[in-house]
Amino acid sequence: AQKVTQAQTEISVVEKEDVTLDCVYETRDTTYYLFWYKQPPSGELVFLIRRNSFDEQNEISGRYSWNFQKSTSSFNFTITASQVVDSAVYFCALSGYNTDKLIFGTGTRLQVFP
Amino acid sequence: DADVTQTPRNRITKTGKRIMLECSQTKGHDRMYWYRQDPGLGLRLIYYSFDVKDINKGEISDGYSVSRQAQAKFSLSLESAIPNQTALYFCATSLGEANEKLFFGSGTQLSVL
Repeated sequence: AQKVTQAQTEISVVEKEDVTLDCVYETRDTTYYLFWYKQPPSGELVFLIRRNSFDEQNEISGRYSWNFQKSTSSFNFTITASQVVDSAVYFCALSGYNTDKLIFGTGTRLQVFP
Repeated sequence: DADVTQTPRNRITKTGKRIMLECSQTKGHDRMYWYRQDPGLGLRLIYYSFDVKDINKGEISDGYSVSRQAQAKFSLSLESAIPNQTALYFCATSLGEANEKLFFGSGTQLSVL
């Protein structure tokens, strides 16, 4: 069975702090895809990144970076120098090869205070 | 205008009533999805559709039905609403391949009293 665990329910930081959101997944598939989505207070989910299981390179996009480690089944998300606009719920998600069934974690609510 | 539009944004109804949530998209995507979000549970897939002739059940389809009226329209119905169907419902679309990123609507908050 596939499963995504986001153990951090809520994180609070002060602006400019770095923060890491954890994501641990379970799957028996050898080919799979991992995603991060952001849900700001407005409610609409916004895609952040997709990573396939054969690409373990870390990725950086501005203040955002992702660390994918198959050895620990983790796909962690770091925000550097956090800003108030980063306040949102962040979801990690997993899909097997060639399937439309996306398994979401329970989300981590990040609050960034000025 | 939003690429994926859901109506209504909010709805309060009573147990036993029939409810339809509508979704339309201007992205030209073939694949459309309905998810529900419950606090502490994340999002769960209700139904998805690859095209107007292809409807598939997700992990929690019981109590729901869908209709794909056109490539751009995908509606979700609750034939007889019950209180545990109170949730935030999202419509999403994706390009014509599996494992593509999803584009979400703004959601419909449904409350069943």
